[in-house]
Amino acid sequence: DIQMTQSPSTLSASVGDRVTITCRASQSISNWLAWYQQKPGKAPNLLIYEASNLQSGVPSRFSGSGSGTEFTLTISSLQPDDFATYYCQQYDSYPVTFGQGTKVEIK
Amino acid sequence: QVQLVESGGGVVQPARSLRLSCTASGFTLSGFVMHWVRQAPGKGLEWVAVVSYDGNTKYYADSVKGRFTISRDNSKNTLYLQMNSLRAGDTAVYFCARETGQFDYWGQGTLVTVSS
Repeated sequence: DIQMTQSPSTLSASVGDRVTITCRASQSISNWLAWYQQKPGKAPNLLIYEASNLQSGVPSRFSGSGSGTEFTLTISSLQPDDFATYYCQQYDSYPVTFGQGTKVEIK
Repeated sequence: QVQLVESGGGVVQPARSLRLSCTASGFTLSGFVMHWVRQAPGKGLEWVAVVSYDGNTKYYADSVKGRFTISRDNSKNTLYLQMNSLRAGDTAVYFCARETGQFDYWGQGTLVTVSS
C-alpha cells in the first residue's frame, strides 16, 4: 500500500498568513493527488485534484504543486473560513490512501 | 444539483450486521465509480471499498475484507454497504463518495456505533 505522510500535523497561523502543507508519498504517484478540506461534523470538500488543478468554486488563494512523491498545498492568504483540517489523498492505485491530516488552527 | 444521502446507521452490537445505503440524485449513478470512506471519532479518513460502474468489480480495505460487501442498484440510483461481523473498531461515520479520479462529491455521512 502507498503511505501518505503529511506535515505538519498541526499548524497555528493568523489571518493573512501564507500557509504551506506538505504531503509525501511512499512511492511515486505521478500527479494522482487530491487535497480536501474538512470542517467539524462535515464531509470533506475537494479543493485540488491531479496535484495542481483547482476544483470549480474553490477560491484562488488555494493552490497545489508537486509530482512523484512530494506535494504541497498552499493557502496564499489565510482567511477565517480556512481554519479546518486538510487531507491529501493518492488515487494512483488501490487501496486509495489518505494522509493523516493537518489541522490549521488560529494563532 | 448533485446530492448523496447516506442512511442506515445506528447503534449495533458486536458481531451483528448493518446495511448502509447511499441515494444519489442530480446525476446518473451508473456513470460513476463509487466509494465508501469512513472516519472514526476524532480520527482521519479511511478508505473502505469501491465498486465499478456496473457493480462487477470491487475492492476492499484489508480491515473490512471478508466482512463488508459493497454493491449498487443503478436502477434505484443507490449504493450499498453490507457490514457483517461488526467490531468496536468499525465505529465511525461512513461517507459515500463519487469518483471522477478524485472524490468530487461526498454525502453528509451516517454514524455507525458498534457497542454492547
